[in-house]
Amino acid sequence: DIVMTQSPDSLAVSLGERAAINCKSSQSLFYSSYNKNYLDWYQQKPGQPPKLLISWASTRESGVPDRFSGSGSGTDFTLTISSLQTEDVAVYYCQQHFSTPLSFGGGTKVEIK
Amino acid sequence: EVQLVQSGAEVKKPGESLKISCQGSGYDFSAYWITWVRQMPGKGLDWMGIVYPGDSDTRYSPSSQGQVTISADKSINTAYLQWNSLEASDSGIYFCARQVGRTSPIDYWGQGTPVTVSS
Repeated sequence: DIVMTQSPDSLAVSLGERAAINCKSSQSLFYSSYNKNYLDWYQQKPGQPPKLLISWASTRESGVPDRFSGSGSGTDFTLTISSLQTEDVAVYYCQQHFSTPLSFGGGTKVEIK
Repeated sequence: EVQLVQSGAEVKKPGESLKISCQGSGYDFSAYWITWVRQMPGKGLDWMGIVYPGDSDTRYSPSSQGQVTISADKSINTAYLQWNSLEASDSGIYFCARQVGRTSPIDYWGQGTPVTVSS
């Protein structure tokens, strides 16, 4: 089974500053036949279900602000918020869908400093 | 508009049985996988298992195997998660969600069903 490890557990960033969240998988999530990394990022605000932000490691979903970006390949990935806004306060999760059982990282709580 | 509407909050006693539901609309329910995710109070997301309503193909996480049953009835566009004998540790919020393929991103989520198990 693939284990997902996120860091840090929490992050406090000033408004307008950059936030970066790391995610590491216990095995490669890159499927060479499709040239894709099977890694997604979700945002969850209190009392709400998670929302898909970034799929296939770097594809921003429709309607997601361009301050959110995903990068990385293989086993190491990063979600970057280029200029933190008030509405970005949330918990962020990475998830692998390379193989079942699917698995999530432990989550990173992003707050305003 | 794609929607996944889950059944309401439940309060149960240890040892009781429970079946919660997730009804899909706005898309071909038979052609997409439904996945179930648990979130214990104040904790992260745990993937429990997945079902393909088209043929009822089902997969479970190791921790959920034998503890719950995941099923679907494509005639009424509804997926289910059930327990035969609840434990206090089953308390949490349960989300259903949709995937195009078994190894695809989760693109739509239900609103969640809170389950409280307490004597």
